[in-house]
Amino acid sequence: QSLLTQPPAVSGAPGQRVTISCNGSSSNIGAYYDVHWYQQLPGAAPKLLIYANGNRPSGVPDRFSGSKSGTSASLVIAGLQAEDEGDYYCQSYDISLSGLYVFGSGTKVTVL
Amino acid sequence: EVHLVESGGDLVQPGKSLTLSCAASGFMFSNYWMNWVRQTPGKGLEWVAKIHPDGRDKNYVDSVKGRFTISRDNAKDLLFLQMNSLRVEDTAVYYCAMKGWGDFDSWGQGTLVTVSS
Repeated sequence: QSLLTQPPAVSGAPGQRVTISCNGSSSNIGAYYDVHWYQQLPGAAPKLLIYANGNRPSGVPDRFSGSKSGTSASLVIAGLQAEDEGDYYCQSYDISLSGLYVFGSGTKVTVL
Repeated sequence: EVHLVESGGDLVQPGKSLTLSCAASGFMFSNYWMNWVRQTPGKGLEWVAKIHPDGRDKNYVDSVKGRFTISRDNAKDLLFLQMNSLRVEDTAVYYCAMKGWGDFDSWGQGTLVTVSS
């Protein structure tokens, strides 16, 4: 069971706004560690989508945005497009675990 | 453009060994922390190991400590993961990933390791 909790699935029609939550704790997100988001399209490797809570790497469309507050973070896809369908993972650093980095369990985004 | 290509994945029996490689190009490999991350259908993404640019500082997830060894050859832009005493639960797709602004900025395409008798 992941220390970062995400909803298993979200869906929306093209053009809609969807939000994916990532709930952590005082040993990871709440300890002021950055949250990063990854997109994994079907059959592909994960790709960095948002780094350090709310920054987009070059080439990532501005319809993707991230934020962090307290022990949680959120990824917003504003203006959902068919090519956004895939899995999305949050990730942070954790001081309590057997491993340094933790990933969320992933959220499957379906475009209706 | 950063390019990472993993190789070495195979079907192996429990208790056996396997070495994965990751060939890097498109960036100054010797300047970056590098990682191995694995993915299974049941457990999702799991960070496995990381190594300092100079190769001297290494960290591992508890479940692989004492069995896996991460290393690098900066002269050849290569990253390795030596896996000993493999277990069924080590079955996964293994990715190498470069640390940049985030923890895992660029990923390879992955190589499949299957541990089964």
